[in-house]
Amino acid sequence: EVQLVESGGGLVQPGGSLRLSCAASGFTFSSYWMSWVRQAPGKGLEWVANINQDDSEKYYVDSVKGRFTISRDNAKNSLYLQMNSLRAEDTAMYYCSRKRTGYSDYWGHGTLVSVSS
Amino acid sequence: DIVMTQTPLSSPVTLGQPASISCRSSQSLVHSDGNTYLSWLQQRPGQPPRLLIYKISNRFSGVPDRFSGSGAGTDFTLKISRVEAEDVGIYFCMQATQFPWTFGQGTTVEIK
Repeated sequence: EVQLVESGGGLVQPGGSLRLSCAASGFTFSSYWMSWVRQAPGKGLEWVANINQDDSEKYYVDSVKGRFTISRDNAKNSLYLQMNSLRAEDTAMYYCSRKRTGYSDYWGHGTLVSVSS
Repeated sequence: DIVMTQTPLSSPVTLGQPASISCRSSQSLVHSDGNTYLSWLQQRPGQPPRLLIYKISNRFSGVPDRFSGSGAGTDFTLKISRVEAEDVGIYFCMQATQFPWTFGQGTTVEIK
């Protein structure tokens, strides 16, 4: 059974940093692209970033470029999102998902990030 | 960026009756590889998104056959043939033809 479990969320002040993790199991993690998608409270979904199997290709939404870094450790079956210079508008539930060609098939339950002073 | 527009934003439905959600993209979703990367997601209250349909009309594993997707180019539709109580939630269309991936605003399906 495919499982994705996010962690690392919490309350942080504007300008601060957080590192999110996503532990994957039930599939060969190193064979798949992975994604982060976020959802502000009561709002819709926003794609954040994608990473390929060997960490050599990364794509970001413009609003996080230069502040967020997606990475992975295939030996640990883990996906990460390093978030720096956080802003109030980054407040959201962050989901990791397994990427297929043209869609995301499995999603974690999310980890909540709150940016507030 | 490709803008995805869903209608209606709210759909009150009687149990056992059909429901239909429309999704329109601001430009064609046909990829250079010939595929159209339009998918539909369901988000039940308090739950993460769940994939229902990918590449316009392909049902994902475990998705009941009362869900169907159709469309082409810029106009797409998700249909629920007979709404059940467990179908209550928000439905999103999503395009992955062009970066950045973008989503529709969401359509809330509720029981009358």
